[in-house]
Amino acid sequence: EDQVTQSPEALRLQEGESSSLNCSYTVSGLRGLFWYRQDPGKGPEFLFTLYSAGEEKEKERLKATLTKKESFLHITAPKPEDSATYLCAVDNYGQNFVFGPGTRLSVLP
Amino acid sequence: NAGVTQTPKFRVLKTGQSMTLLCAQDMNHEYMYWYRQDPGMGLRLIHYSVGEGTTAKGEVPDGYNVSRLKKQNFLLGLESAAPSQTSVYFCASSYFSGGHQETQYFGPGTRLLVL
Repeated sequence: EDQVTQSPEALRLQEGESSSLNCSYTVSGLRGLFWYRQDPGKGPEFLFTLYSAGEEKEKERLKATLTKKESFLHITAPKPEDSATYLCAVDNYGQNFVFGPGTRLSVLP
Repeated sequence: NAGVTQTPKFRVLKTGQSMTLLCAQDMNHEYMYWYRQDPGMGLRLIHYSVGEGTTAKGEVPDGYNVSRLKKQNFLLGLESAAPSQTSVYFCASSYFSGGHQETQYFGPGTRLLVL
């Protein structure tokens, strides 16, 4: 069964303290990997799509990378407004995505 | 563009009552999805549709029905609500391009409480 896991479950950082979130996947095939940000009480908001190992995407303080087994979301010098739940999802050539459970990030001022 | 909209935003039901959640998208997307999100369990797919007039079961379809009579609308029905259906429901839409599925765009969610 295809599966996506994320670690850590929750992460607390001080403002400016860089770190990485992990998304590991065991799937029959990978057509694409997606990162989303979800704020409390809102729907997930798209951040990045990665299609092949070695690919990297950047947006402001966020950088997503992809290997054959996992993806990382690197957060450089985070600010309190980066606090959210970060979800990853895999397109495994099915009709839908397989979502991970998410990482709750808190950035303290 | 409004993107993906959902109505209602919040609803309280009594056990056994029925209701319909409405999802609308104005992006001309072929694919539409209904998810539920519960603490610690992430997003779970209830039903989805790959085009007008088509529907298919997802991971947790029991107790729900759906209809896609118009391309822009996807309805989720609860015929006889149960407390286990207390959750936050998200609708999403997407399309295929160049042989792969583009990202799913999500609505703001409907919070449902079943007493």
